[in-house]
Amino acid sequence: AQSVTQPDIHITVSEGASLELRCNYSYGATPYLFWYVQSPGQGLQLLLKYFSGDTLVQGIKGFEAEFKRSQSSFNLRKPSVHWSDAAEYFCAVGSNNNDMRFGAGTRLTVKP
Amino acid sequence: EAQVTQNPRYLITVTGKKLTVTCSQNMNHEYMSWYRQDPGLGLRQIYYSMNVEVTDKGDVPEGYKVSRKEKRNFPLILESPSPNQTSLYFCASSFRTPNEQFFGPGTRLTVL
Repeated sequence: AQSVTQPDIHITVSEGASLELRCNYSYGATPYLFWYVQSPGQGLQLLLKYFSGDTLVQGIKGFEAEFKRSQSSFNLRKPSVHWSDAAEYFCAVGSNNNDMRFGAGTRLTVKP
Repeated sequence: EAQVTQNPRYLITVTGKKLTVTCSQNMNHEYMSWYRQDPGLGLRQIYYSMNVEVTDKGDVPEGYKVSRKEKRNFPLILESPSPNQTSLYFCASSFRTPNEQFFGPGTRLTVL
């Protein structure tokens, strides 16, 4: 079965600084990869997804992620963080078996 | 408006008292799923359903039941809740899987 690891539980960045959130997955076949964001007290919203094709995918709110098969990674990036980006971020991997696994999440704090 | 709704949003109950959390989607999605979110563990899948009358266990199905009698509804049933089922629960749906899932607002359950 597939699994997801988000090594960073909590990250703090200054507003305007760049951001990279790490995600590593384990899956025997080509994974279906997702990044979701959860604002406090809210449900999850999809930022971006990767199924196939170009390994650099663009998402909403200025986020992008790069799929690196050799490193089993799907890291999320943003060149300049805004205070409204403070939230919890989840990486997820889907499989052909129809189940979905989420990482434990990374909480992002943005300093003014 | 396309959405996933859950009721109730908050529930405090006592051990052993049967309860049902309802989930409904208005997007004609085939796939529906229940997750629980616990600090440090991310989201863990409880049950999912590929279509009407088709359900399957996720990672943590013990103590839960589901049914899918209609395409739009996917209730989560706790026959005899216990304190370790205190958690934040999310329902989600998608047109097919694996694909982007749309999440409900969550149900915060406390079992005393």
